Amino acid sequence: AQKITQTQPGMFVQEKEAVTLDCTYDTSDPSYGLFWYKQPSSGEMIFLIYQGSYDQQNATEGRYSLNFQKARKSANLVISASQLGDSAMYFCATISHLQGAQKLVFGQGTRLTINP
Amino acid sequence: EAGVTQSPTHLIKTRGQQATLRCSPISGHTSVYWYQQALGLGLQFLLWYDEGEERNRGNFPPRFSGRQFPNYSSELNVNALELEDSALYLCASSLAGWYLDGQFFGPGTRLTVL
Repeated sequence: AQKITQTQPGMFVQEKEAVTLDCTYDTSDPSYGLFWYKQPSSGEMIFLIYQGSYDQQNATEGRYSLNFQKARKSANLVISASQLGDSAMYFCATISHLQGAQKLVFGQGTRLTINP
Repeated sequence: EAGVTQSPTHLIKTRGQQATLRCSPISGHTSVYWYQQALGLGLQFLLWYDEGEERNRGNFPPRFSGRQFPNYSSELNVNALELEDSALYLCASSLAGWYLDGQFFGPGTRLTVL
């Protein structure tokens, strides 16, 4: 079974600073994917970035990058030049590609607050 | 392109009643997923439908059920409501081979059981 651990319940960062949100995962599947989602107070989950277990390079999407360290089983999200609109809950999630499982397993989330 | 839509936005029921939640996926998406986000418990996978069939089910009792219609929209039914069913219910949709693009979520239905 897959498990995601996010050890930072909350983080406070000054606007324009970079921020790293931690995520470690546990899976026995040889092939898996890792995701980050943002959940503003409105409740909608917004897909940010994806990393496949066989991808050689770290994924990047605009100001978001995923620091993937396979040996350490970590998939930290880095947000560069943070903005006030980045304040939200952030969830790390994983999926197995085996047996067409197709379900996301989420961590408990990190509440990020950007201060002006 | 319209995103995933869910209705109603809020639903208030009493214990023992039944609740029906609805979801319309992004046009062209054939898979629909349901998740429960209870306070303090994170998101838990409920159900996955694809091409009208239930493909996978999370660790929830049988009173949580659903279906997918020919137009790929989906319904989640919760029978014999209990207080602990109060949660945000999120629907997501995806294409085949979706892991490259992620699952796309709707705004959710907040169910309150009194």
